[in-house]
Amino acid sequence: NAGVMQNPRHLVRRRGQEARLRCSPMKGHSHVYWYRQLPEEGLKFMVYLQKENIIDESGMPKERFSAEFPKEGPSILRIQQVVRGDSAAYFCASSATGLMNTGELFFGEGSRLTVL
Amino acid sequence: GESVGLHLPTLSVQEGDNSIINCAYSNSASDYFIWYKQESGKGPQFIIDIRSNMDKRQGQRVTVLLNKTVKHLSLQIAATQPGDSAVYFCAENNGDYKLSFGAGTTVTVRA
Repeated sequence: NAGVMQNPRHLVRRRGQEARLRCSPMKGHSHVYWYRQLPEEGLKFMVYLQKENIIDESGMPKERFSAEFPKEGPSILRIQQVVRGDSAAYFCASSATGLMNTGELFFGEGSRLTVL
Repeated sequence: GESVGLHLPTLSVQEGDNSIINCAYSNSASDYFIWYKQESGKGPQFIIDIRSNMDKRQGQRVTVLLNKTVKHLSLQIAATQPGDSAVYFCAENNGDYKLSFGAGTTVTVRA
């Protein structure tokens, strides 16, 4: 069973460009979460999605950031007009349910964005 | 501010010794805690979890202790091996779908 797949693993963008990060959840998982990790810090919740629905985007900046999880295809985290402060590792996780107390949350290897 | 934190950012341990990694939390409503291991360039990997109705849970070479009185949990690794070198995060959950992570402790195993 393939795990959570993220691509690209590394992405370099210049200021003002767009970054698109993709995440395919584990097979059978319909709940997707995006977390951001700045250097030397822990992961911070950004957004929680189910198929075609954004459940909670309270951790995501109001501007330039958007996320989607279409009926077909991977979840996408989109960052428009990137700035240097967007440089971070972005992790996607998936679960079969929306409950965290089962331990069944699986993370991908992350996408590392560098903004020049 | 963050509700989960770790006491020490780094820990150096001799191979074969036991490691103890500590974590303090401030949200008394948290009822579920997880320890993750993150190796360089990889995503967090589940190690062990514990619910608030327990004070101890054991896995393979790992033990998590929870002290709700002082809002503290710890991860003990027995007979630490070179492959245990990584950053360790505690995370908490208070019943919904979000995890709050601490800043992490970097464990380095000396040969």
